[in-house]
Amino acid sequence: QVQLVQSGAEVKKPGASVKVSCKASGYTFSESYMHWVRQAPGQGLEWMGWINPNSGGTNYAQKFQGRVTMTRDTSITTAYMELSRLRSDDTAMYYCARDLGYSETSFDYWGQGTLVTVSS
Amino acid sequence: QSVLTQPPSVSGAPGQRVTISCTGSSSNIGAGYDVHWYQLLPGTAPKLLIFGNSNRPSGVPDRFSGSKSGTSASLAITGLQAEDEADYYCQSYDSSLSGVVFGGGTKLTVL
Repeated sequence: QVQLVQSGAEVKKPGASVKVSCKASGYTFSESYMHWVRQAPGQGLEWMGWINPNSGGTNYAQKFQGRVTMTRDTSITTAYMELSRLRSDDTAMYYCARDLGYSETSFDYWGQGTLVTVSS
Repeated sequence: QSVLTQPPSVSGAPGQRVTISCTGSSSNIGAGYDVHWYQLLPGTAPKLLIFGNSNRPSGVPDRFSGSKSGTSASLAITGLQAEDEADYYCQSYDSSLSGVVFGGGTKLTVL
């Protein structure tokens, strides 16, 4: 069965960077785009971007361009999301989500989430 | 505020039917992009309920249905059950933003 298992919670200071991992199993990793979505406390879902695990190509939401980097290691079927220059409003639950691969982007499997807390 | 507009809350009694609307614009839903729906139960990751406007993934009960018309879409839940109490989000693509967009979410309360 498809599983996405994320790394554990992080506490960071403002200005620091955080790197979250997402270990995929149960399907062919290179065949599905991986997206990152976050949810701040009391807020809605916010799409951050995607990575093509096959080519390594990326597409980031305008809001995060210059601050986010998505990478992957196909040898261990793991995707990564690194967010730099953290601010307090980056405190959120961060999810990786697999693209269903239907005609347009939707997310059929999600990781369990990684809570990132930014606090001085 | 979110690109897609949802009512903050809806409610219904067990067994009743409720609908959740998702209103967009000419750069997203109105441009023909598909709408997808997710259920967020407290403390759990989102679950895909509807993809491609009206398709249910395997395992999703047929009590859940989706539709789309013009610049809006709707999620309908019939035979409301206590376990349906959750937050629901619509999602589409926006050509002006060149990216995925979500609604602000709707909290469903089962009375």
